[in-house]
Amino acid sequence: EDQVTQSPEALRLQEGESSSLSCSYTVSGLRGLFWYRQDPGKGPEFLFTLYSAGEEKEKERLKATLTKKESFLHITAPKPEDSATYLCAVRSGTASKLTFGTGTRLQVTL
Amino acid sequence: ETGVTQTPRHLVMGMTNKKSLKCEQHLGHNAMYWYKQSAKKPLELMFVYNFKEQTENNSVPSRFSPECPNSSHLFLHLHTLQPEDSALYLCASSQVVASNNEQFFGPGTRLTVL
Repeated sequence: EDQVTQSPEALRLQEGESSSLSCSYTVSGLRGLFWYRQDPGKGPEFLFTLYSAGEEKEKERLKATLTKKESFLHITAPKPEDSATYLCAVRSGTASKLTFGTGTRLQVTL
Repeated sequence: ETGVTQTPRHLVMGMTNKKSLKCEQHLGHNAMYWYKQSAKKPLELMFVYNFKEQTENNSVPSRFSPECPNSSHLFLHLHTLQPEDSALYLCASSQVVASNNEQFFGPGTRLTVL
Protein backbone atom coordinates (compact mmCIF):
# COMPACT_ATOMS: atom_id res chain seq x y z
CA GLU A 1 0.00 0.00 0.00
CA ASP A 2 1.30 3.45 -0.95
CA GLN A 3 2.26 5.75 1.91
CA VAL A 4 3.03 9.46 1.99
CA THR A 5 4.42 11.32 5.01
CA GLN A 6 4.80 15.08 5.04
CA SER A 7 6.86 17.10 7.48
CA PRO A 8 6.77 19.34 9.29
CA GLU A 9 3.05 19.39 10.09
CA ALA A 10 3.20 23.17 10.47
CA LEU A 11 5.84 25.77 9.68
CA ARG A 12 5.99 29.43 10.51
CA LEU A 13 8.43 31.61 8.57
CA GLN A 14 9.19 35.27 8.45
CA GLU A 15 8.95 36.98 5.10
CA GLY A 16 12.16 36.31 3.17
CA GLU A 17 13.17 33.32 5.33
CA SER A 18 13.71 30.41 2.92
CA SER A 19 12.93 26.83 3.92
CA SER A 20 11.94 23.39 2.60
CA LEU A 21 8.98 21.08 3.05
CA SER A 22 9.47 17.32 2.94
CA CYS A 23 7.35 14.58 1.38
CA SER A 24 8.65 11.06 1.91
CA TYR A 25 6.89 8.23 0.11
CA THR A 26 6.73 4.48 -0.20
CA VAL A 27 5.24 3.13 -3.43
CA SER A 28 5.63 0.18 -5.73
CA GLY A 29 6.46 1.81 -9.04
CA LEU A 30 6.10 5.57 -8.88
CA ARG A 31 4.08 6.95 -11.78
CA GLY A 32 4.01 10.53 -10.57
CA LEU A 33 4.46 12.74 -7.51
CA PHE A 34 2.18 15.77 -7.28
CA TRP A 35 2.32 18.95 -5.23
CA TYR A 36 -0.79 20.97 -4.51
CA ARG A 37 -1.47 24.16 -2.60
CA GLN A 38 -4.70 24.51 -0.61
CA ASP A 39 -6.00 27.77 0.80
CA PRO A 40 -8.59 27.75 3.61
CA GLY A 41 -12.08 27.04 2.32
CA LYS A 42 -10.84 26.13 -1.16
CA GLY A 43 -9.95 23.02 -3.09
CA PRO A 44 -6.34 22.03 -3.78
CA GLU A 45 -4.60 23.95 -6.57
CA PHE A 46 -2.18 21.99 -8.76
CA LEU A 47 1.46 23.11 -8.60
CA PHE A 48 3.84 20.46 -9.98
CA THR A 49 4.18 16.89 -11.22
CA LEU A 50 7.50 15.05 -10.92
CA TYR A 51 8.10 11.68 -12.53
CA SER A 52 11.66 10.52 -11.93
CA ALA A 53 14.51 10.96 -9.45
CA GLY A 54 16.61 14.00 -10.20
CA GLU A 55 13.76 15.92 -11.78
CA GLU A 56 13.20 19.53 -10.69
CA LYS A 57 10.46 22.05 -11.46
CA GLU A 58 10.13 25.72 -10.56
CA LYS A 59 7.33 28.22 -10.33
CA GLU A 60 7.99 31.69 -8.96
CA ARG A 61 9.37 31.22 -5.42
CA LEU A 62 8.70 27.46 -5.38
CA LYS A 63 11.01 24.68 -6.52
CA ALA A 64 10.15 20.99 -6.29
CA THR A 65 12.76 18.24 -6.37
CA LEU A 66 12.52 14.45 -6.35
CA THR A 67 14.69 11.59 -5.12
CA LYS A 68 13.86 7.90 -5.01
CA LYS A 69 12.33 8.19 -1.54
CA GLU A 70 11.52 11.83 -1.00
CA SER A 71 10.42 15.07 -2.58
CA PHE A 72 11.15 18.56 -1.32
CA LEU A 73 9.30 21.79 -1.92
CA HIS A 74 11.79 24.61 -1.51
CA ILE A 75 10.38 28.05 -0.83
CA THR A 76 12.78 30.91 -1.53
CA ALA A 77 12.20 34.31 0.08
CA PRO A 78 8.55 33.58 0.88
CA LYS A 79 5.88 36.24 1.06
CA PRO A 80 2.71 36.29 3.21
CA GLU A 81 0.66 35.27 0.16
CA ASP A 82 2.53 31.95 0.13
CA SER A 83 0.73 31.02 3.35
CA ALA A 84 -1.33 27.90 2.68
CA THR A 85 -1.36 24.15 3.24
CA TYR A 86 0.91 22.30 0.82
CA LEU A 87 -0.17 18.79 -0.10
CA CYS A 88 1.90 16.02 -1.64
CA ALA A 89 0.40 13.01 -3.44
CA VAL A 90 1.68 9.99 -5.34
CA ARG A 91 0.31 7.69 -8.00
CA SER A 92 1.77 4.22 -8.50
CA GLY A 93 1.44 1.37 -10.95
CA THR A 94 -1.74 1.46 -12.98
CA ALA A 95 -3.82 2.85 -10.14
CA SER A 96 -6.07 5.78 -10.85
CA LYS A 97 -6.02 7.02 -7.28
CA LEU A 98 -3.75 9.62 -5.77
CA THR A 99 -2.49 8.85 -2.26
CA PHE A 100 -2.17 12.11 -0.33
CA GLY A 101 -0.17 13.13 2.70
CA THR A 102 -1.72 15.15 5.51
CA GLY A 103 -0.03 18.34 4.34
CA THR A 104 2.24 21.04 5.74
CA ARG A 105 0.50 24.17 6.97
CA LEU A 106 2.76 27.12 6.11
CA GLN A 107 2.37 30.56 7.64
CA VAL A 108 4.54 33.44 6.43
CA THR A 109 4.53 36.54 8.57
CA LEU A 110 5.79 40.07 7.95
CA GLU B 1 -11.06 29.44 -10.88
CA THR B 2 -10.01 25.94 -11.86
CA GLY B 3 -12.91 25.22 -14.18
CA VAL B 4 -14.53 22.87 -11.69
CA THR B 5 -17.58 24.15 -9.80
CA GLN B 6 -19.40 22.58 -6.88
CA THR B 7 -22.78 23.31 -5.32
CA PRO B 8 -23.79 23.89 -2.67
CA ARG B 9 -20.68 25.28 -0.98
CA HIS B 10 -22.11 24.59 2.47
CA LEU B 11 -24.72 22.02 3.56
CA VAL B 12 -26.17 21.18 6.94
CA MET B 13 -28.38 18.12 7.14
CA GLY B 14 -29.94 15.82 9.67
CA MET B 15 -29.24 12.11 9.74
CA THR B 16 -32.62 11.30 8.16
CA ASN B 17 -32.36 13.79 5.30
CA LYS B 18 -31.59 13.10 1.66
CA LYS B 19 -29.49 15.61 -0.22
CA SER B 20 -27.29 15.74 -3.30
CA LEU B 21 -23.96 17.41 -4.08
CA LYS B 22 -23.31 18.60 -7.61
CA CYS B 23 -20.07 19.00 -9.53
CA GLU B 24 -19.58 20.42 -13.01
CA GLN B 25 -16.36 20.72 -14.97
CA HIS B 26 -15.79 23.06 -17.91
CA LEU B 27 -12.39 21.69 -18.93
CA GLY B 28 -13.41 19.09 -21.48
CA HIS B 29 -12.13 16.31 -19.23
CA ASN B 30 -13.33 12.72 -19.27
CA ALA B 31 -12.52 11.58 -15.73
CA MET B 32 -14.15 12.82 -12.55
CA TYR B 33 -13.51 12.01 -8.91
CA TRP B 34 -15.08 12.43 -5.47
CA TYR B 35 -12.78 12.91 -2.47
CA LYS B 36 -13.49 13.32 1.24
CA GLN B 37 -11.28 15.64 3.32
CA SER B 38 -11.54 15.42 7.10
CA ALA B 39 -9.55 17.45 9.60
CA LYS B 40 -6.07 16.09 10.27
CA LYS B 41 -6.55 13.30 7.71
CA PRO B 42 -5.29 12.92 4.14
CA LEU B 43 -7.70 13.33 1.26
CA GLU B 44 -9.54 10.05 0.74
CA LEU B 45 -10.59 8.98 -2.74
CA MET B 46 -14.21 7.85 -2.80
CA PHE B 47 -15.22 7.26 -6.43
CA VAL B 48 -13.71 7.49 -9.90
CA TYR B 49 -15.57 7.85 -13.19
CA ASN B 50 -13.89 7.55 -16.59
CA PHE B 51 -16.02 8.35 -19.64
CA LYS B 52 -19.16 8.14 -17.44
CA GLU B 53 -18.31 4.65 -16.21
CA GLN B 54 -17.48 4.05 -12.56
CA THR B 55 -14.00 2.56 -12.42
CA GLU B 56 -13.32 2.72 -8.71
CA ASN B 57 -15.32 2.58 -5.49
CA ASN B 58 -12.93 2.87 -2.58
CA SER B 59 -15.03 0.84 -0.12
CA VAL B 60 -17.45 3.70 0.41
CA PRO B 61 -20.59 3.03 2.51
CA SER B 62 -23.79 2.69 0.51
CA ARG B 63 -25.26 5.80 2.13
CA PHE B 64 -23.11 7.64 -0.45
CA SER B 65 -24.37 7.07 -4.00
CA PRO B 66 -22.58 8.64 -6.98
CA GLU B 67 -24.09 9.44 -10.35
CA CYS B 68 -22.32 10.54 -13.53
CA PRO B 69 -24.85 11.31 -16.31
CA ASN B 70 -22.15 12.66 -18.65
CA SER B 71 -18.47 13.55 -18.62
CA SER B 72 -19.13 17.09 -17.40
CA HIS B 73 -21.40 16.40 -14.44
CA LEU B 74 -21.01 14.37 -11.27
CA PHE B 75 -23.39 14.00 -8.36
CA LEU B 76 -23.09 12.55 -4.90
CA HIS B 77 -26.42 11.52 -3.40
CA LEU B 78 -26.50 11.41 0.38
CA HIS B 79 -28.97 9.60 2.64
CA THR B 80 -29.08 8.57 6.30
CA LEU B 81 -25.63 10.00 6.96
CA GLN B 82 -23.81 9.86 10.27
CA PRO B 83 -22.17 12.76 12.15
CA GLU B 84 -18.74 11.29 11.31
CA ASP B 85 -19.54 11.94 7.64
CA SER B 86 -19.15 15.65 8.29
CA ALA B 87 -16.24 16.79 6.12
CA LEU B 88 -15.23 18.76 3.03
CA TYR B 89 -16.28 16.87 -0.11
CA LEU B 90 -14.12 17.67 -3.10
CA CYS B 91 -14.75 16.97 -6.74
CA ALA B 92 -11.88 16.76 -9.21
CA SER B 93 -11.45 16.12 -12.92
CA SER B 94 -8.65 15.10 -15.25
CA GLN B 95 -8.25 14.50 -18.96
CA VAL B 96 -8.55 10.75 -18.49
CA VAL B 97 -7.65 8.33 -15.73
CA ALA B 98 -3.92 8.06 -16.41
CA SER B 99 -0.69 8.50 -14.55
CA ASN B 100 0.42 11.71 -16.20
CA ASN B 101 -2.83 13.60 -15.92
CA GLU B 102 -3.07 16.23 -13.23
CA GLN B 103 -6.33 16.42 -11.33
CA PHE B 104 -8.05 19.79 -10.99
CA PHE B 105 -10.19 20.32 -7.92
CA GLY B 106 -13.34 22.26 -7.24
CA PRO B 107 -13.78 24.43 -4.14
CA GLY B 108 -15.58 21.70 -2.22
CA THR B 109 -18.83 21.36 -0.29
CA ARG B 110 -18.53 21.73 3.47
CA LEU B 111 -21.00 19.15 4.86
CA THR B 112 -22.20 19.11 8.44
CA VAL B 113 -24.37 16.20 9.63
CA LEU B 114 -26.29 16.89 12.82
